[in-house]
Amino acid sequence: EVQLVESGGGLVQPGRSLRLSCAASGFTFDDYAMHWVRLGPGKGLEWVSGISWNSGNIGYGDSVKGRFTISRDNAKSSLYLQMNSLRVEDTALYYCARDAGRIVGIRTDFDFWGQGILVTVSS
Amino acid sequence: YELIQPPSVSVSPGQTAGITCSGENLGNKYVCWYQQKPGLSPVLIIYQDNKRPSGIPERFSGSNSANTATLTISGTQAMDEADYYCQAWDSTILRVVFGGGTKLTVL
Repeated sequence: EVQLVESGGGLVQPGRSLRLSCAASGFTFDDYAMHWVRLGPGKGLEWVSGISWNSGNIGYGDSVKGRFTISRDNAKSSLYLQMNSLRVEDTALYYCARDAGRIVGIRTDFDFWGQGILVTVSS
Repeated sequence: YELIQPPSVSVSPGQTAGITCSGENLGNKYVCWYQQKPGLSPVLIIYQDNKRPSGIPERFSGSNSANTATLTISGTQAMDEADYYCQAWDSTILRVVFGGGTKLTVL
């Protein structure tokens, strides 16, 4: 059974940093690209970032580019999101999602999602 | 690149609901659709314009042509009440793009 379990969320002050993790199980992690997607309060889904199976292709949404960094450790079947210079508008439920393909931009439909982890940015 | 969805759609039980997703030359891109119910994670219901993942009921179908993709729900049931999002990959700016979401009400 495919499982994606996010961790590392919480309450943080504006300007500070936070690192999210996503532990994957039930599939061969390095066969798939992975993504972070967020759902802000009263908003719709927003793509945050994606990374190909070998970290060769990486992309970011405009609102986080330059502040967030995605990475993965295939040996640990884990996906990460380093979030720096956090803003109030980054407050959201962050989902880890599996791409149906290996490379970002080839398939880019997300066939499995984690349960989400809440990040609240507030002073 | 922007994908435009109607904020809300209403349908009576047993009727057919259509949710549109508009974008420039969208027919040249693959579109997928997600269903999200309150408190739950999104679920992929249509990929590559018109394919259904295993376990998704046949009443869900998709199409994509010119500037509009459409999610059609035939014989809509109360359990289909949810938010629906379209999504595509913009190869020119190398971004995943989501539509703003459509709240489907079954009444």
